[in-house]
Amino acid sequence: AQRVTQPEKLLSVFKGAPVELKCNYSYSGSPELFWYVQYSRQRLQLLLRHISRESIKGFTADLNKGETSFHLKKPFAQEEDSAMYYCALRGGWDRGSTLGRLYFGRGTQLTVWP
Amino acid sequence: NAGVTQTPKFQVLKTGQSMTLQCAQDMNHEYMSWYRQDPGMGLRLIHYSVGAGITDQGEVPNGYNVSRSTTEDFPLRLLSAAPSQTSVYFCASSYSISSSSPLHFGNGTRLTVT
Repeated sequence: AQRVTQPEKLLSVFKGAPVELKCNYSYSGSPELFWYVQYSRQRLQLLLRHISRESIKGFTADLNKGETSFHLKKPFAQEEDSAMYYCALRGGWDRGSTLGRLYFGRGTQLTVWP
Repeated sequence: NAGVTQTPKFQVLKTGQSMTLQCAQDMNHEYMSWYRQDPGMGLRLIHYSVGAGITDQGEVPNGYNVSRSTTEDFPLRLLSAAPSQTSVYFCASSYSISSSSPLHFGNGTRLTVT
């Protein structure tokens, strides 16, 4: 079974502080992992995906298969980073998977204080 | 290019009433899906479609019907509304189900069932 766990429902940091949003997954194959973000009054949008190995808005995320984690990190948080962040996993065409559907974690609400 | 358009933005129903949430995309996306977002539960997949004429159930399909008569439209029907269906509903689409194809979300429909 595929599962995505975001252990922190709420996370608060001060501006300029490092921030790490945790994501752990359970998947028997090779997963595709994503971070989606929802800013206040905006639609959910893709932030980054592990296959691209990119840095978006200063955020990075490394897939650690040994620890089955895909934590989202930023060295210096900004107030505009305040948002709801969702970790998501896409399975493959293997047993138990539903045609590559996306499984979302429960989300972490990040607040960056000035 | 409007992306994914959902209507209505807000809706209040009485228990037992039926209604249809509309979703349309103008990006020629093959894959469309409906999620519901509940506090502490993240996003849960209701139904999805990998192309016109093809639909399948997601994680929480009970009480909902879908159809995909055209590539552009993917309406979600509530057959007999219940208070448990009070939620925010998101329609999402992607070009394909491959991992390189991110989901594009609509703005959501906030539904209250009294």
